[in-house]
Amino acid sequence: DAGITQSPRHKVTETGTPVTLRCHQTENHRYMYWYRQDPGHGLRLIHYSYGVKDTDKGEVSDGYSVSRSKTEDFLLTLESATSSQTSVYFCAIRNTGGYSPLHFGNGTRLTVT
Amino acid sequence: GENVEQHPSTLSVQEGDSAVIKCTYSDSASNYFPWYKQELGKGPQLIIDIRSNVGEKKDQRIAVTLNKTAKHFSLHITETQPEDSAVYFCAAESGYALNFGKGTSLLVTP
Repeated sequence: DAGITQSPRHKVTETGTPVTLRCHQTENHRYMYWYRQDPGHGLRLIHYSYGVKDTDKGEVSDGYSVSRSKTEDFLLTLESATSSQTSVYFCAIRNTGGYSPLHFGNGTRLTVT
Repeated sequence: GENVEQHPSTLSVQEGDSAVIKCTYSDSASNYFPWYKQELGKGPQLIIDIRSNVGEKKDQRIAVTLNKTAKHFSLHITETQPEDSAVYFCAAESGYALNFGKGTSLLVTP
């Protein structure tokens, strides 16, 4: 899976608690992404990073923050989890800014009760 | 922003038949269109992609066609096999990211 590790793979948490998901890559790719996947909605972009400390919002960024202090790690934080954030979260990496595919990790299944 | 529509949402074919999945996009500036296959419990995997300066691309049983004027592109799978059963996503480039269609669940029955 293109040297991408997501952790944890599964998590159950309670409403109102903070949650951090981690994406680690060994490919030294500049671009990293967080998507969420929900039935009927496909894959929707949450945030992405185009370099260390450089991030930008996607279409569904409300309630999420990200950080990237090293090339290989991209963290997604839910400051106060809500049931609407129950989803499968995918990290992806990309070598260039255009004309190239994203490579996805195997996802983190998050359940907020 | 970019809007990608994908049809059909479900598709059932018999083994050996062809399958076609169609997508439309809204941003005329989009120039890169990948297709992904997702199996249960895994992340999407790239199966084929096409750039806007090409009208068609083929890789064994899989082909993609692009009509930039009409802003639509299609995935064609010939001689389908049971292992082709999966969810397929089209995508269109938007800035530094990809916008995805909502997916097509393909079932190939023996």
